[in-house]
Amino acid sequence: AQSVSQHNHHVILSEAASLELGCNYSYGGTVNLFWYVQYPGQHLQLLLKYFSGDPLVKGIKGFEAEFIKSKFSFNLRKPSVQWSDTAEYFCAVNAGNNQGGKLIFGQGTELSVKP
Amino acid sequence: DAGITQSPRHKVTETGTPVTLRCHQTENHRYMYWYRQDPGHGLRLIHYSYGVKDTDKGEVSDGYSVSRSKTEDFLLTLESATSSQTSVYFCAIRGRETSGGISTDTQYFGPGTRLTVL
Repeated sequence: AQSVSQHNHHVILSEAASLELGCNYSYGGTVNLFWYVQYPGQHLQLLLKYFSGDPLVKGIKGFEAEFIKSKFSFNLRKPSVQWSDTAEYFCAVNAGNNQGGKLIFGQGTELSVKP
Repeated sequence: DAGITQSPRHKVTETGTPVTLRCHQTENHRYMYWYRQDPGHGLRLIHYSYGVKDTDKGEVSDGYSVSRSKTEDFLLTLESATSSQTSVYFCAIRGRETSGGISTDTQYFGPGTRLTVL
C-alpha cells in the first residue's frame, strides 16, 4: 500500500532559523506531490505542488521543496522562518495511477517558531 | 477558498445517534472528498465522489455513508455515531488549473467540522 512518512512530528525553531521538513513516500511510479499548511484553528491551505519539470518547486510565503526521485523524497525548506510560520505541515502524494485523484497524507509535522 | 462551505462547523452528539455533515461548493467541481483528521494520522480519506450519484470508498469508510444528489452538495452520514468517530471532518474539491499548456489537479479544502461524540 502507498504510504507517506514525515519524520519529524514536532519541530521547534527560533525566528530566522532555517527549516527543513522531511517527507518520503512509497510508490515507484509517477507521483504528484503536495505540501499543505494548517494554521491553528484553520483549514488546510496549499503551499506548493510538484507535477513535473524542475524538481525544485517554489511556493507561497518563501517556501520551496525539492523532489528527489531516487530518494522518494519531497522535503520542504525555508531559509528563514518567522513566528507566523507556526502551524502544522502536511505532505501528500497522489500516485499517477490513482483512480479518483485520492491523496495519501503524512502524519503531519507541527512547527513551533519562538519569537 | 474554492467556494467550499461546511455545515455545521461544530457538533456535539451522543453515541448511537445519526449525524449528517454537509459540504457545499459553488464552482461546479466534479470531484469531492471527505477526510477525517486525527492527531498522529494526518488526514485519511473516508469517501469521495466523481459525479452526481457516483461515489466510492476511501481507506476509512466503515461506519460512514455518503450521498451526492446534486453537483454542489456532498453529504457525509454517520448512521450511528460512536466515540471513535470524534474527529475533525474536512471536505475537499478537486480543481484543475492550466498553466503553460500543462493541466494539474489540486485538492482544496473547506473549513472543517469538529464533531464530538459523547
